[in-house]
Amino acid sequence: EIVLTQSPATLSLSPGERATLSCRASRSVRSYLAWYQQKPGQAPRLLIYDVSNRATGIPARFSGSGSGTDFTLTISSLEPEDFAVYYCQQRSIRLTFGGGTKVEIK
Amino acid sequence: EVQLVESGGGLVQPGKSLRLSCAASGFTFDDYAMHWVRQIPGKGLEWVSGISGNSGSIDYADSVKGRFTISRDNANNSLYLQMNNLRPEDTAFYYCAKDPGGEPRNWFDPWGQGTLVTVSS
Repeated sequence: EIVLTQSPATLSLSPGERATLSCRASRSVRSYLAWYQQKPGQAPRLLIYDVSNRATGIPARFSGSGSGTDFTLTISSLEPEDFAVYYCQQRSIRLTFGGGTKVEIK
Repeated sequence: EVQLVESGGGLVQPGKSLRLSCAASGFTFDDYAMHWVRQIPGKGLEWVSGISGNSGSIDYADSVKGRFTISRDNANNSLYLQMNNLRPEDTAFYYCAKDPGGEPRNWFDPWGQGTLVTVSS
């Protein structure tokens, strides 16, 4: 099983700041990595698939990068609605999720 | 607009069974693989099972293999999860989610609103 480790567990930032979230895989997942956003009481929403492709309707302030075992989700300037929990997910070998990073208001 | 609506959750005793349903609309159902993903309240996400559009390819997480069965009824645009021999650790929100392809090996978009399964005596 491929284990995805997300860091930090919690990121405390202010609106307008840049957020950088990390996802590290226990072995290479090639370019098969997605990112999701989940707000309290809601289902997750797809943000990014295959490392850097934004899903339909996702604002350009969300971007993804990386390859192999190290990946990054960047939110260029945090909007109030971006404070949420973010999960990465790989599809290289079966389907697994990372443990999540909570982006909270500082 | 794609819509996924789960139902069938509730309180069940350990060792008992429950069947979840997911009603799909807004897309050609049999063209796409579908999945069940669960989330213990306040915790992370766990993929449970996936099924291809024609039901020819099915996979399960090791934690549910042999106890859960995924199926679909393409004539009625419905996805199911039969859960047998339930354990307290199966307590979670269960989401159905659409795969962008015909085989269950991609990502999840969109998701239903989820249904809560509580396994307790």
